Amino acid sequence: AQSVAQPEDQVNVAEGNPLTVKCTYSVSGNPYLFWYVQYPNRGLQFLLKYITGDNLVKGSYGFEAEFNKSQTSFHLKKPSALVSDSALYFCAVSQAGGYQKVTFGTGTKLQVIP
Amino acid sequence: GAVVSQHPSWVICKSGTSVKIECRSLDFQATTMFWYRQFPKQSLMLMATSNEGSKATYEQGVEKDKFLINHASLTLSTLTVTSAHPEDSSFYICSARDSGGGEYEQYFGPGTRLTVT
Repeated sequence: AQSVAQPEDQVNVAEGNPLTVKCTYSVSGNPYLFWYVQYPNRGLQFLLKYITGDNLVKGSYGFEAEFNKSQTSFHLKKPSALVSDSALYFCAVSQAGGYQKVTFGTGTKLQVIP
Repeated sequence: GAVVSQHPSWVICKSGTSVKIECRSLDFQATTMFWYRQFPKQSLMLMATSNEGSKATYEQGVEKDKFLINHASLTLSTLTVTSAHPEDSSFYICSARDSGGGEYEQYFGPGTRLTVT
């Protein structure tokens, strides 16, 4: 069975500092990996994905993530945090190939402190 | 592009009644839509996969007779919570994949807050 671990329930970072939200995964074969963001009482917004190719993936709002196969990780990063980045972030994984079931992590609340 | 809408955004109903939630892909076709349930401060729990023109596939532990799903067109899926009880109160979110885009990400609706009194 596939799974996603987001080890931190909450991450606090000062505005202007770099941020990292951690994600590790477990899946049979190659993974498809995703990051989504959720603002209060809203649905999820797609940020970025890794399907194949370059391990460093760039997405919306200045976010990026690095796929590390040996460590089975897909950490979300941003060089300079904004207060408006404060939200709930979900990492997700599916098996590669076609449209496979997606499993979400438990989410990490990012709090950017002014 | 890739906008998914949900209606209603919130609903309050009495115990024993049924509630229908609509999920629409506004600018793309979706042969597959997904219904999730999210409890406070928890992750998304996949309830079922909705396939256009065929029966939905329910996840283990989800009562298919209680949560009726219909995917009658390429842009509309509905979730009906039948004989609702207070424990059905939750945040329900749908998502859809763009059938023609060749992409793998899901696009999410804004969610529906259901409160059963």
